[in-house]
Amino acid sequence: GQQVMQIPQYQHVQEGEDFTTYCNSSTTLSNIQWYKQRPGGHPVFLIQLVKSGEVKKQKRLTFQFGEAKKNSSLHITATQTTDVGTYFCAGKGGATNKLIFGTGTLLAVQP
Amino acid sequence: GAGVSQTPSNKVTEKGKYVELRCDPISGHTALYWYRQSLGQGPEFLIYFQGTGAADDSGLPNDRFFAVRPEGSVSTLKIQRTERGDSAVYLCASSPVGTGNEQFFGPGTRLTVL
Repeated sequence: GQQVMQIPQYQHVQEGEDFTTYCNSSTTLSNIQWYKQRPGGHPVFLIQLVKSGEVKKQKRLTFQFGEAKKNSSLHITATQTTDVGTYFCAGKGGATNKLIFGTGTLLAVQP
Repeated sequence: GAGVSQTPSNKVTEKGKYVELRCDPISGHTALYWYRQSLGQGPEFLIYFQGTGAADDSGLPNDRFFAVRPEGSVSTLKIQRTERGDSAVYLCASSPVGTGNEQFFGPGTRLTVL
């Protein structure tokens, strides 16, 4: 079945450093969403990418969707302590309507 | 308006018992999803409702799991003959239309099977 993997599993950075998490799907995706889950909280939607090669920015966050629509990345510039949490990508495949979540990347930011 | 709510927030039960978990979606949201999340893992899809009908139940692990949404609003996830491996956080989400749209998650129900 469809699998969505993320690397790294865990990243520890100093405040002010950049951070990137990568998402790879075993199958082509029709769209990809990104969610953030704070410790003890629930996933909160960040963004959706639909087009091949699409790039979207939200302040310090930059999201990319690969040309083949099988991978995606999230880059955070100059991390802050408020960025702490687990970042999940979630892909919707062409043959199914369900959203498959990735394995997540836990970001720790040291002040 | 209120967000997605789930009750109870915590449920402790014994192996073999029956449990019901409730989800109140955002008013007007036609799509409702159930996920299961184990510690350190991403949410695992269980079932998706569009209105009253289950549009995709391919994520239900076995026939001990069943979910209903009789009036197209509140949904109940039912687990029969619970096993220790069912222990997890059960998340509910809703969205205005169908898949391919932002999902709004509830706080989850933490189920512990002793």
